[in-house]
Amino acid sequence: GEDVEQSLFLSVREGDSSVINCTYTDSSSTYLYWYKQEPGAGLQLLTYIFSNMDMKQDQRLTVLLNKKDKHLSLRIADTQTGDSAIYFCAERFKGNTPLVFGKGTRLSVIA
Amino acid sequence: DGGITQSPKYLFRKEGQNVTLSCEQNLNHDAMYWYRQDPGQGLRLIYYSQIVNDFQKGDIAEGYSVSREKKESFPLTVTSAQKNPTAFYLCASNNVGVNTEAFFGQGTRLTVV
Repeated sequence: GEDVEQSLFLSVREGDSSVINCTYTDSSSTYLYWYKQEPGAGLQLLTYIFSNMDMKQDQRLTVLLNKKDKHLSLRIADTQTGDSAIYFCAERFKGNTPLVFGKGTRLSVIA
Repeated sequence: DGGITQSPKYLFRKEGQNVTLSCEQNLNHDAMYWYRQDPGQGLRLIYYSQIVNDFQKGDIAEGYSVSREKKESFPLTVTSAQKNPTAFYLCASNNVGVNTEAFFGQGTRLTVV
């Protein structure tokens, strides 16, 4: 079956690194995504990783994928108050199937 | 300026009334989706469509209906049969291909009064 799990809350101090974790159940997932949602808004794609990759870095964002444990993480370096939002992990099996989302992790950044 | 547009941003409905939420995209995407978001529940799939004149039920389709008469448009009707319609509704679209990033609209907040 399809299931994506995330912890619901994370609080960090400004300037520290944030690590948001996600586990998924279907090993046939082809792409895994991280989306960001600010209050009252839609979702914005932050980054994605293909299932044959272990790591992807994009400026302050680092995505790590452990296929054996079906574990995905998003690290935000030098976290800023503007990073406060809900972060969703999502998986997709094929190009025309719907994304399956986790419940989202609410990141709070303390100044 | 390409994108996906949802309207209205806020919608109020009386109990017992049907209401239709609009979703339009000019990205030439084949697939379109409707999700419902409730606090602490994440995004749950209501309906999706991969091609014009065809659509499939998602996980929580009861009390909702959709149509896909045009590629650009995928309206969602919340019927009086939906028992708890108050929620934030998100529409998304993507191409069909190898890496298919989904683009989201800004959402419609529906409140039943």
